[in-house]
Amino acid sequence: LAKTTQPISMDSYEGQEVNITCSHNNIATNDYITWYQQFPSQGPRFIIQGYKTKVTNEVASLFIPADRKSSTLSLPRVSLSDTAVYYCLVGGYSGNTPLVFGKGTRLSVIA
Amino acid sequence: SQTIHQWPATLVQPVGSPLSLECTVEGTSNPNLYWYRQAAGRGLQLLFYSVGIGQISSEVPQNLSASRPQDRQFILSSKKLLLSDSGFYLCAWRPMGPRYGYTFGSGTRLTVV
Repeated sequence: LAKTTQPISMDSYEGQEVNITCSHNNIATNDYITWYQQFPSQGPRFIIQGYKTKVTNEVASLFIPADRKSSTLSLPRVSLSDTAVYYCLVGGYSGNTPLVFGKGTRLSVIA
Repeated sequence: SQTIHQWPATLVQPVGSPLSLECTVEGTSNPNLYWYRQAAGRGLQLLFYSVGIGQISSEVPQNLSASRPQDRQFILSSKKLLLSDSGFYLCAWRPMGPRYGYTFGSGTRLTVV
């Protein structure tokens, strides 16, 4: 399984764009990159998934460079309710190997 | 639509008592099922996963066990709880094959006293 490295914590003010970068140098050819959001006392919630280039949905954007050794989750105009832990996971979805969660990035949004 | 149910939401158990946490999935068949545990202030630790009825893979040796008696039912058990078993237990599922990732249940907060 590809190991991921992401910052332990980040602070941001409301209304700013937040970019969280994840390194995954040994990503495999069939690995997808998935980001989850977790609030206290809740299970993680799927945010976005991508394989290469850029993916955008109503919540976030995911930027993946050509070498796929890193990815950046972009949250536009964050609000206080975006305060949460964000996990970057890398894994192949063609098999049954479970995903391994790292410690994630704790994002604190300040008014 | 698919839903995942996990219960109970909170549980306080004495040391040495048994444990049974249940998770069920609706609206899908043959899902991959997972049990994770999260200690206070920590990340998620994968405990067990199952790709089919009666098929259980254990990731961490401990006094916990898991069973999958039916296609959409996953049970986490212990014969004798330890203080170190306290934590937030999460069940998750995902469809077979390449899809959009895991869906987690609402979790069970277990406190062993």
